[in-house]
Amino acid sequence: ETGVTQSPTHLIKTRGQQVTLRCSSQSGHNTVSWYQQALGQGPQFIFQYYREEENGRGNFPPRFSGLQFPNYSSELNVNALELDDSALYLCASSPDTGAHNEQFFGPGTRLTVL
Amino acid sequence: LAKTTQPISMDSYEGQEVNITCSHNNIATNDYITWYQQFPSQGPRFIIQGYKTKVTNEVASLFIPADRKSSTLSLPRVSLSDTAVYYCLVGENSGYSTLTFGKGTMLLVSP
Repeated sequence: ETGVTQSPTHLIKTRGQQVTLRCSSQSGHNTVSWYQQALGQGPQFIFQYYREEENGRGNFPPRFSGLQFPNYSSELNVNALELDDSALYLCASSPDTGAHNEQFFGPGTRLTVL
Repeated sequence: LAKTTQPISMDSYEGQEVNITCSHNNIATNDYITWYQQFPSQGPRFIIQGYKTKVTNEVASLFIPADRKSSTLSLPRVSLSDTAVYYCLVGENSGYSTLTFGKGTMLLVSP
């Protein structure tokens, strides 16, 4: 069984640019959540996708957007990058919605905005 | 979502039992209590989850009193590799799941 994978591992961008991060969910999981983790902080929920539809969103501006594909893999897109967007971006998949479901996290993508 | 409070850091030695307590005074009836572990530059990893009383698995135990306003994660005989950040989360079993992470507890295990 393949776990959650994310690409790329590291990424360096400059202010104003756009970035796309990718996540492959664990086999059999239809729900993907994205989190932003700044240095020294806990992960902050960005949004969740369930069967290709956005199913919930945290306190992030619209320039953070996402997609989920029929195979349940997902993308996180961030437009007009700001310095504060520098963080570890985590993707987590779960077999269904509902907070009681164990979420399986990927290793994350480290984004640096210069 | 219920807010959680846990110590910022704890120190221990190899072989000791470590208990990390989390306070969640406004926990709702349908909320589950979940603990995650995170090593540097890695994603969090599920440790244990419970609703009431005691839950035990191969790595930890979770104690939840009757009022469910707090919970205690117990790690038996810790080793150096247990050095990590531990997060206590309380989540609703509602239409969508979201995990609200606080800053967690940084556990440092020394030789």
